Order: sequence, then structure tokens, then C-alpha cells
Amino acid sequence: GDSVTQMEGPVTLSEEAFLTINCTYTATGYPSLFWYVQYPGEGLQLLLKATKADDKGSNKGFEATYRKETTSFHLEKGSVQVSDSAVYFCALRDFGNEKLTFGTGTRLTIIP
Amino acid sequence: EAGVAQSPRYKIIEKRQSVAFWCNPISGHATLYWYQQILGQGPKLLIQFQNNGVVDDSQLPKDRFSAERLKGVDSTLKIQPAKLEDSAVYLCASSSGGDTQYFGPGTRLTVL
Repeated sequence: GDSVTQMEGPVTLSEEAFLTINCTYTATGYPSLFWYVQYPGEGLQLLLKATKADDKGSNKGFEATYRKETTSFHLEKGSVQVSDSAVYFCALRDFGNEKLTFGTGTRLTIIP
Repeated sequence: EAGVAQSPRYKIIEKRQSVAFWCNPISGHATLYWYQQILGQGPKLLIQFQNNGVVDDSQLPKDRFSAERLKGVDSTLKIQPAKLEDSAVYLCASSSGGDTQYFGPGTRLTVL
């Protein structure tokens, strides 16, 4: 079945540091890939997505590239801010199915 | 545009009691989802509705969980009787059929 494996946290970085959160997936078909973010006290929000191989999703300075050859969708940001502190979830939606399969989440804390 | 509304935000009950959660999706969204998020894990789909019909309830523990969406708008998720392992955050999400699911703030259930 479909599965998503995420880098375990928590991750603590200093402000302006470079961020990478690893995500790899297993799917039977051709999935769409997503990063969701959950800020403290709030619901999950879509951060970015990519629907086919080599697509790059980007939003709020975050980027992730759909790599079919390595079945990966790593999240990156060049310079993190304190306001980026949140829990980040990688997810996939297999073709022909609306169900999202999530990873376990990575808690990110940015210190000033 | 109003987001997905859920209530209550928090609920504490004793095992073997019953509990119900309510969700009001974004206006016009035909698809509604209930997810269970256990601490330290990613959300897991419990049930998906398309209008007032069930699309996928394969991971719903039907001996104790039930859900309905009678008029194709609001939805209620019920647990009866609750077990300790039901302690989790219950998330409601809705979509208009595209890639993006919009999540509510969730209901945190604690079973003592």
C-alpha cells in the first residue's frame, strides 16, 4: 500500500539557517505529493504541492521537487524564520484516489 | 471565505462513554473527510463522503465509530463506546474535488 516516510524530529535551527526535511514515498501508481504545515493551535494548511515528476512546488520561500527516480519530495528553505516554527507533514494522493496518506510529521523549532 | 468549522475543540470523557463531533465544511464543498491523528503520528483517514454518500470507510472501526452527513453539508462523527486508544485529534477536511483539502482546527479527545 501507499506510505510516506519522513525525517524524524524534532528539528531545531537558528534563524536564517538552511532547512531540509526529508520525505520519501511508496505508491502503486503515479501520486501527487504535498507538504502540509500545522502552526501551533491551528489546523493543517497546504504549503505546496507537485503533481508529476520533476515538478517543483513552492510557497513562502519553501520548495520541494518531485523526484520519481528517488521517490522523494524533500522540503527546503534557504533562510528560516522564527515564524516557520510548526509541524510539517509530507503526504501523497495516489492517482484516481482522493485519500491523502500522511507521514508522521516533523516538528521544526527556529530559535532567534 | 469561512473555513472548515469543528466543535467542540476539546473533549474529555471516561472510557465506555459516548461522544460526538461536529463539522461544517466550506460552503459548496461536496467532499468531506474525517481523519484521526494520534499523538506523534500523521492523520489517518477514517471516512470520506461525497455529498451525503460514503466513498471510503475502509479504516473506520465500525463496531464503535459511526458518521453521517444527512443533507450533504454538516457531518457528525460519533464514538460509542470510547476506548483509551481513541484519544486523538479528530480532523475534518473538505474539498471541491480538486487536489487541495482544507482542514478544520480539529477536536482533541482525551479518554480517561
